[in-house]
Amino acid sequence: GESVGLHLPTLSVQEGDNSIINCAYSNSASDYFIWYKQESGKGPQFIIDIRSNMDKRQGQRVTVLLNKTVKHLSLQIAATQPGDSAVYFCAENETAAGNKLTFGGGTRVLVKP
Amino acid sequence: EAGVVQSPRYKIIEKKQPVAFWCNPISGHNTLYWYRQNLGQGPELLIRYENEEAVDDSQLPKDRFSAERLKGVDSTLKIQPAELGDSAVYLCASSPAAGGGTGELFFGEGSRLTVL
Repeated sequence: GESVGLHLPTLSVQEGDNSIINCAYSNSASDYFIWYKQESGKGPQFIIDIRSNMDKRQGQRVTVLLNKTVKHLSLQIAATQPGDSAVYFCAENETAAGNKLTFGGGTRVLVKP
Repeated sequence: EAGVVQSPRYKIIEKKQPVAFWCNPISGHNTLYWYRQNLGQGPELLIRYENEEAVDDSQLPKDRFSAERLKGVDSTLKIQPAELGDSAVYLCASSPAAGGGTGELFFGEGSRLTVL
């Protein structure tokens, strides 16, 4: 399959360890934040989202943390598995302006067996 | 339930040639998006439709790009003439809610364009 990015920041993690991916956003008016996973040759796939009135949300093996003070978002993946190898994008949404997602630059996660 | 369907998956053309991409969104989704994704970067919005109306086309290079969504379902994105810098993956996405939603977009697998 095609590579979605050759010059992305890369996080190498041992299988079974936890992964933390960070993202900075820019729009203070954004009220929803979303993490997407993109595997090679595929479109982005929704992982988890968080509203701006929350600072933490948990899903299955994933946790998103939001720090509005410094405009920072992070995605934590617990017990990283080989299937987690992909490029991860954060996106911000100012819903008052319609569902217009603005994506960040992406981080590649490589899981080592 | 079928996801967002795009075609073609791959297209190689010479510069100055035209090209068109087609998208069929998830049934019932009123909002349709076209994004462009350059290698190593996140997707960038080109145009957003609410039903058949283009509500945000501010990022669409209108000198060579055009899009339509007749009947508010399928959509086509056209480039004429293509330039070398248009090489990218063109992603179509749809969502059920027009604003006020979570922002969860459902993406197709994309159409990869290579301009020689």
